[in-house]
Amino acid sequence: TQLLEQSPQFLSIQEGENLTVYCNSSSVFSSLQWYRQEPGEGPVLLVTVVTGGEVKKLKRLTFQFGDARKDSSLHITAAQPGDTGLYLCAGNSGNTPLVFGKGTRLSVIA
Amino acid sequence: DVKVTQSSRYLVKRTGEKVFLECVQDMDHENMFWYRQDPGLGLRLIYFSYDVKMKEKGDIPEGYSVSREKKERFSLILESASTNQTSMYLCASSPTGGRKQPQHFGDGTRLSIL
Repeated sequence: TQLLEQSPQFLSIQEGENLTVYCNSSSVFSSLQWYRQEPGEGPVLLVTVVTGGEVKKLKRLTFQFGDARKDSSLHITAAQPGDTGLYLCAGNSGNTPLVFGKGTRLSVIA
Repeated sequence: DVKVTQSSRYLVKRTGEKVFLECVQDMDHENMFWYRQDPGLGLRLIYFSYDVKMKEKGDIPEGYSVSREKKERFSLILESASTNQTSMYLCASSPTGGRKQPQHFGDGTRLSIL
């Protein structure tokens, strides 16, 4: 069974701080996706990474896929209250459905 | 823009009732999924479908069934609702082009079984 472990589970920071959240597995994934879910809504895709070592930037968010395609990180620079939400990573391998981590719940306090 | 619409945002039912949760997508996606989301447990896959009339069990299918008579609609059925099925239910769809395609989610149905 493939598992994705996300850490930390909860994170509460002040506006303007930087943070990194992690998504780790012992399995290799052909691609990895990051979603953000806000209260009362479904998850929304932020990015997909497919190549080992790949780095993608989305404004203040930087996503990295590990060289071995077993892990990923999300770094947020100068966090804002609008970044508050549940961040989920999800991995795909072969023909199986996506495997989701349990998420990191981020709270950015103004 | 892809839109996945779930029929109800909130639903309250009684133990033993048969409950139908409906999901419709408007982007002609082949793949559709039903998850439940519980605090501390994350998203858990109940059933999925890669084509009309097809269905496959996910990780926690017990107590649930599904129906996919049309491509755009995927229904989740709780045959005899129980209190441990109180949860947030999320429907998602994705196109083909490899099953690594991103999933598009509805806003969820918060179901309470009394």
